[in-house]
Amino acid sequence: DAGITQSPRHKVTETGTPVTLRCHQTENHRYMYWYRQDPGHGLRLIHYSYGVKDTDKGEVSDGYSVSRSKTEDFLLTLESATSSQTSVYFCAISSQGTPYEQYFGPGTRLTVT
Amino acid sequence: SQKIEQNSEALNIQEGKTATLTCNYTNYSPAYLQWYRQDPGRGPVFLLLIRENEKEKRKERLKVTFDTTLKQSLFHITASQPADSATYLCALLNNAGNMLTFGGGTRLMVKP
Repeated sequence: DAGITQSPRHKVTETGTPVTLRCHQTENHRYMYWYRQDPGHGLRLIHYSYGVKDTDKGEVSDGYSVSRSKTEDFLLTLESATSSQTSVYFCAISSQGTPYEQYFGPGTRLTVT
Repeated sequence: SQKIEQNSEALNIQEGKTATLTCNYTNYSPAYLQWYRQDPGRGPVFLLLIRENEKEKRKERLKVTFDTTLKQSLFHITASQPADSATYLCALLNNAGNMLTFGGGTRLMVKP
C-alpha cells in the first residue's frame, strides 16, 4: 500500500460523537486525499491537501473537516457522526497531484450506530 | 448531469480470453482518464493513465483506449488469468481540473 497506513482500520461509534481518522505516509508526497466509498456511489472525494496547512473541499465535504500539520499526516474529523457517514474511508497520496496517479491506503471501515 | 457509467454487472470470462471493460461518461471533457484495480477489502491500485490526445496506451497485458468523440474508454486484459479477478474502476479528471471522479467499477471474474 505504497507506504500509507490508516488508523483505526475498523471503528464503531455512536451517533453524535466526534471521530478522527488518521492517514500516515512515509513517501513524502505533497498531495493527500480523503475519499469515502459506498455501494452505488463509488469513490467520492471528501477533502484534499496540497501541502502542510493547505486543504480544500471535495465533492462531499459537509460534516467533515481535515487538518494537515505535517507532511506525513492527514487527519479527517467527523464533527458529530451520523448514520449516513457509515462508510469505508480511503486515504490516498500523490507526488504530482491531480490528475496524476494516486496511491491508496488500506481503508478504514466506520460504522455509526 | 455529469455521469460516469461502468457496467455494474460482473463480467465472467474464461482464462486465456481477452476481457474488455467499458467506461462511458457524459457531460465531462476529461483531459485525463485513469484505471484502477481494487481487490475486496483493499484500496484501489493505480494501473494506467491516458491523456486525451493519446488514443491507446499499453502496459504488459493491459491496453486502454480513449475515444473523446464517443466519450468512452475501453480497458482490455489479454490472456486473462484468475489472478486478474477484481473490480476495475475508471476515473476522470473533472471539468474544473481539480479532482478525479470515479466510476462505480466493474467486477471481473476469470474462471480457470
